[in-house]
Amino acid sequence: QVQLQESGPGLVKPSETLSLMCTVSDGSMNSYYWNWIRQPPGKGLEWIGYIYYTGTTNYDPSLQSRVTISVDTSNNQFSLKLSSVTAADTAVYYCARAISHRSYFDYWGRGTLVSVSS
Amino acid sequence: EIVLTQSPGTLSLSPGERATLSCRASQTFNNNFLAWYQQKPGQAPRLLISGASSRATGIPDRFSGSGSGTDFTLTISRLEPEDFAVYYCQQYAGSPWTFGQGTKVEIK
Repeated sequence: QVQLQESGPGLVKPSETLSLMCTVSDGSMNSYYWNWIRQPPGKGLEWIGYIYYTGTTNYDPSLQSRVTISVDTSNNQFSLKLSSVTAADTAVYYCARAISHRSYFDYWGRGTLVSVSS
Repeated sequence: EIVLTQSPGTLSLSPGERATLSCRASQTFNNNFLAWYQQKPGQAPRLLISGASSRATGIPDRFSGSGSGTDFTLTISRLEPEDFAVYYCQQYAGSPWTFGQGTKVEIK
């Protein structure tokens, strides 16, 4: 069964860049779409974007100017970079798998809390 | 962007009762590209339903999804203690993929 695990700093300063990694275990990254989704404390879910294993990306327009998602299939990892963060970017960040470019999310990581504070 | 509105915000029910959760979209889907997730405190969401009505692997048959167009429903036929949680709908008919704000099912 596929497992996903997020990793990265739990605290980022305002105006800096948030960087997270998702490691995919027990499954190939090929032919799937790899997503980042976030959830501010006590609030709902927000899709950030995806990357296909070939490198094709699609981002939420509201975040597109600040987001970069990249993939390293040789190490079964994909990553998220979110620049110029503010307190509004404080959230639990999840990585998740989708089976196509237009799909639900069938496997999720456990999530990692990133706080933006000086 | 397709906006999903879930109702009610909170549903207070007893174990054994039936739960009916609603998800309304701001635009019509022609393909029923709607999913439902369950989330418990401190956990990631878990996929329950895809394609508006298809249960995911391992999901008990007390969970059922229905609907089309702009109106979708998740029904839990008889609530078990482990079903008290927050439920989200999500559309994947048009980018950006969006979620509803959630319905909390709490013990009465």
